[in-house]
Amino acid sequence: DTGVSQNPRHKITKRGQNVTFRCDPISEHNRLYWYRQTLGQGPEFLTYFQNEAQLEKSRLLSDRFSAERPKGSFSTLEIQRTEQGDSAMYLCASSPPGGITEAFFGQGTRLTVV
Amino acid sequence: DQQVKQNSPSLSVQEGRISILNCDYTNSMFDYFLWYKKYPAEGPTFLISISSIKDKNEDGRFTVFLNKSAKHLSLHIVPSQPGDSAVYFCAASARKTSYDKVIFGPGTSLSVIP
Repeated sequence: DTGVSQNPRHKITKRGQNVTFRCDPISEHNRLYWYRQTLGQGPEFLTYFQNEAQLEKSRLLSDRFSAERPKGSFSTLEIQRTEQGDSAMYLCASSPPGGITEAFFGQGTRLTVV
Repeated sequence: DQQVKQNSPSLSVQEGRISILNCDYTNSMFDYFLWYKKYPAEGPTFLISISSIKDKNEDGRFTVFLNKSAKHLSLHIVPSQPGDSAVYFCAASARKTSYDKVIFGPGTSLSVIP
């Protein structure tokens, strides 16, 4: 297993467009997390899945953001009507039942909204 | 409202000397603390953690100290090596209320000079 995979690695989009990112976690990891990181800041928690259930969402996740993990395997994060403030690195992590201390992060998807 | 603070954006240390990275938190509900390390173009990697019932945890060259009364923790790296040059994030969680939601600090960039 090569670890957590995120696609695409980079995305440039025009303001107002919709974008979707994909995260493939490590096999058999039942927990999956999405974080957002902007320049000079640490990762900010967005949402968390246990299997296919979305158990927690940050208030940072406005109604333009939606995340899914339909079969408890890969996950997608969609941003509708993108704004320049959405420009950031979007990080995905997965873990076995041990929780966040066992989590492995992907390399992230860098979004630039122009 | 920054609940986890790392007031030193950067730190330079000579190879072989001790590196001390500091972290302060404001939320008294935090009961588990973690340090992550991040190289450029990679996701964060879990380094070491400490529960609030302890005041010290050691793993090889890395030691984390927790002072609950001061809401302060620190990461000591001894001896520092050039490969330790990275951004270090302090993170915390309140496991009784949200086991998997981790709040990250803004990070400290460590440079170990050969």
